Amino acid sequence: GQQVMQIPQYQHVQEGEDFTTYCNSSTTLSNIQWYKQRPGGHPVFLIQLVKSGEVKKQKRLTFQFGEAKKNSSLHITATQTTDVGTYFCAGPRVDSNYQLIWGAGTKLIIKP
Amino acid sequence: DAGVIQSPRHEVTEMGQEVTLRCKPISGHDYLFWYRQTMMRGLELLIYFNNNVPIDDSGMPEDRFSAKMPNASFSTLKIQPSEPRDSAVYFCASSFTGATEAFFGQGTRLTVV
Repeated sequence: GQQVMQIPQYQHVQEGEDFTTYCNSSTTLSNIQWYKQRPGGHPVFLIQLVKSGEVKKQKRLTFQFGEAKKNSSLHITATQTTDVGTYFCAGPRVDSNYQLIWGAGTKLIIKP
Repeated sequence: DAGVIQSPRHEVTEMGQEVTLRCKPISGHDYLFWYRQTMMRGLELLIYFNNNVPIDDSGMPEDRFSAKMPNASFSTLKIQPSEPRDSAVYFCASSFTGATEAFFGQGTRLTVV
């Protein structure tokens, strides 16, 4: 069945270092969405990418959608403690454009 | 709008008891989703509704789980009888057009002892 794989599962960084999470779909996606979940919180929508090769920026966050629309990445420059949380990617199911298939998430941990 | 509202925020119950989780979606959103999140299994879609009609309940783990949406502003997820393995955070989410931006409630943390 359709899958969305996300790596790594965890990433430990020193504050100020960069962070990247990668998302790979088994199928071509019409769009890909990114969400952030703070510890003890709920997933919050960050952005949606639709076009092949699209790159969008939100301050220190850079989102990319691959040319084949099967992979995506989120890069955070110079992490801050406020970036701590789990980042999820999600894309529509191919057989039901009304459901999202979720990656397992990448947990960003800032080393003390 | 106050966003998606879930209640209760925390629920501790004994095995065998009935549990009812409640959700009020964002007004105007036609889609409502119930998710379960655990460390082991991540975020799982249990069921979703479109215009109050259940569309896909294939994620509901067992017959002990049931969900209803009697009107556009209210949905319930019921577990009867509850078991310890049902312990998880249950999220309700709503969206305007299905697989687009989903707005999540703050979740209900369920503990079955």
